[in-house]
Amino acid sequence: GAGVSQSPSNKVTEKGKDVELRCDPISGHTALYWYRQSLGQGLEFLIYFQGNSAPDKSGLPSDRFSAERTGGSVSTLTIQRTQQEDSAVYLCASSPDAGGYTFGSGTRLTVV
Amino acid sequence: QKEVEQDPGPLSVPEGAIVSLNCTYSNSAFQYFMWYRQYSRKGPELLMYTYSSGNKEDGRFTAQVDKSSKYISLFIRDSQPSDSATYLCAMSARGNEKLTFGTGTRLTIIP
Repeated sequence: GAGVSQSPSNKVTEKGKDVELRCDPISGHTALYWYRQSLGQGLEFLIYFQGNSAPDKSGLPSDRFSAERTGGSVSTLTIQRTQQEDSAVYLCASSPDAGGYTFGSGTRLTVV
Repeated sequence: QKEVEQDPGPLSVPEGAIVSLNCTYSNSAFQYFMWYRQYSRKGPELLMYTYSSGNKEDGRFTAQVDKSSKYISLFIRDSQPSDSATYLCAMSARGNEKLTFGTGTRLTIIP
């Protein structure tokens, strides 16, 4: 597609359940990023994939969070045993070798 | 102290005014500077991308970077109601790595 696609756009889950968020980047973009945006906060870096290199996981807030990128394209962010503080908008972005990111519209996660 | 500081606003200005948005930062390694615009319930959209110090102009938008002062600005001329959004500054040390964002400034242009 022409842009970064994220699904679902909204997700409501019960505390303690696992969730999977999907990102389909722009074709040919080598880098893929996950960020989290909470109300009144800036974007918080979570994880970064670049080509075949080992991902930069330095932003993942706990071991309940993990992500993978299959075949250098689609990425899935998994949150296990969700907590209420995980409620946020999860944004995915992709970029070519250089230049600014293109973001998706995000997945709004609500943990009840 | 946050690496990137940005006044959250809100900022309201009349249509046609010049808008000035600013960020300060503490990491002298930052060399790549960006401004994003984010409409409600949408992802951020890249507006301006600059490297090192200097000015860059694109239509009604001008980005300025002063690395000696660790200060960046975005100017919007002839502001329009459609410019009403949250504006986020972002920066990185290298061209293709994670960005550090400001918290965003919410701007409203009053018709």
